[in-house]
Amino acid sequence: GQSLEQPSEVTAVEGAIVQINCTYQTSGFYGLSWYQQHDGGAPTFLSYNGLDGLEETGRFSSFLSRSDSYGYLLLQELQMKDSASYFCAVSKAAGNKLTFGGGTRVLVKP
Amino acid sequence: GAVVSQHPSRVICKSGTSVKIECRSLDFQATTMFWYRQFPKQSLMLMATSNEGSKATYEQGVEKDKFLINHASLTLSTLTVTSAHPEDSSFYICSAWTPASGNTIYFGEGSWLTVV
Repeated sequence: GQSLEQPSEVTAVEGAIVQINCTYQTSGFYGLSWYQQHDGGAPTFLSYNGLDGLEETGRFSSFLSRSDSYGYLLLQELQMKDSASYFCAVSKAAGNKLTFGGGTRVLVKP
Repeated sequence: GAVVSQHPSRVICKSGTSVKIECRSLDFQATTMFWYRQFPKQSLMLMATSNEGSKATYEQGVEKDKFLINHASLTLSTLTVTSAHPEDSSFYICSAWTPASGNTIYFGEGSWLTVV
């Protein structure tokens, strides 16, 4: 089976940096994706890591260590609009089904 | 970016009736479509994977006779919830993938189903 662990909730102030960790146990691994979901909305793709290292996309960065079965999403220069749930998800192949973590609810305060 | 559209966005139906939700890839041909269900404040749970022209592959515990999935074309997949009950009330989300999209899977806007 597969399981992904991530913190349930994080609170931070505007302008701060938040790191959301994700550890996984899977029977097969191809890549780790991150999705953002606002309340009542659909998930939107943020980032993908297939190889070890850091991927940077604007204010968001994602990191993967395959040997540690661990990754994280880094949110920098937090803005109020970043208040949302963030999910890590693993896949076993390109285009393969995603298995999602429980989600981390990020609350950004003024 | 690629666009995946779902319809309806919200639907209310009576217990015992059936409801169909459509998922369309608007600007690409989706080789594979996925259907997820999400209860409030919970994660997305995969229900089934469908490839165009073939039968859907259901996840363990998902009743295939209750949740009928059809992927008749490369741009359309449908999920029919048959004999709906209040416990089927949930947020249903589809996603789509094509080889050209690489490692990105695109999600639809989701459909809220309320069974009364």
